[in-house]
Amino acid sequence: DTAVSQTPKYLVTQMGNDKSIKCEQNLGHDTMYWYKQDSKKFLKIMFSYNNKELIINETVPNRFSPKSPDKAHLNLHINSLELGDSAVYFCASSDYGTADQETQYFGPGTRLLVL
Amino acid sequence: GEDVEQSLFLSVREGDSSVINCTYTDSSSTYLYWYKQEPGAGLQLLTYIFSNMDMKQDQRLTVLLNKKDKHLSLRIADTQTGDSAIYFCAGGDRGSTLGRLYFGRGTQLTVWP
Repeated sequence: DTAVSQTPKYLVTQMGNDKSIKCEQNLGHDTMYWYKQDSKKFLKIMFSYNNKELIINETVPNRFSPKSPDKAHLNLHINSLELGDSAVYFCASSDYGTADQETQYFGPGTRLLVL
Repeated sequence: GEDVEQSLFLSVREGDSSVINCTYTDSSSTYLYWYKQEPGAGLQLLTYIFSNMDMKQDQRLTVLLNKKDKHLSLRIADTQTGDSAIYFCAGGDRGSTLGRLYFGRGTQLTVWP
C-alpha cells in the first residue's frame, strides 16, 4: 500500500489552462506539504497544512491554491498555467503529534510540463 | 531560514565507500535528514540523526554530525550500482514554522561497475 500517493503522475498541458494535482496519505498524519522541484533538482516548500489549516504559505503566486478537504488529502489547484510552472511537484506528510514529528514522507511526484 | 549546501557530484567505483557531505547554517534543527531520489522517482527517507547525536549507523549507512562545524556526512559502505541516485541533505527549522524542511541541492552519486 502506498503511504503517500499523488495523481496524476504526469501532466502535460497548454499555457493558460487550469489543472489540479491530488495527494492522499494513509499514514494517519496530521500535516501535509507541497514542494516544487525545478529542473536543477532544487526542492522548495510551497505550502503546508496541519489538520486542514494552512500553516506555511511561501512566496507562491496566488494562481496556486491548495485545498485540504480532510487531513488525509491535500490538493493543489493551479490557474492560468505558465511555462515556468513546469516542474515536479511533490506532496509529503508528517505527524506533528509524535516524537518523529519532523520526519516527512514523500509521494512519487507529479511531473508537470506546460507547453 | 536555513541554507544547506552540498557538492553536486560524486563518482565512485562499485565496492568502494562513498562519502557525501553537507553543511548547514541553522543550528536549531532538531533532526537532520538524508533522502535518496532515484531517476524519475520520489524522495525516499534514508536515515536521520537527532541533533544531540554525533553518529548513527544503519547497516551500510553511517551518518556523522559535527555540530560545531555544522557539518553532516553520509557514508555508504560497499557502494553498489543500485546506490546511484541523488542524495539530499535536509534540516528542520524548529525555530520558526511547523514542519519546514530546508533541502540542499542534492549530490548526484554515480557508481561505476
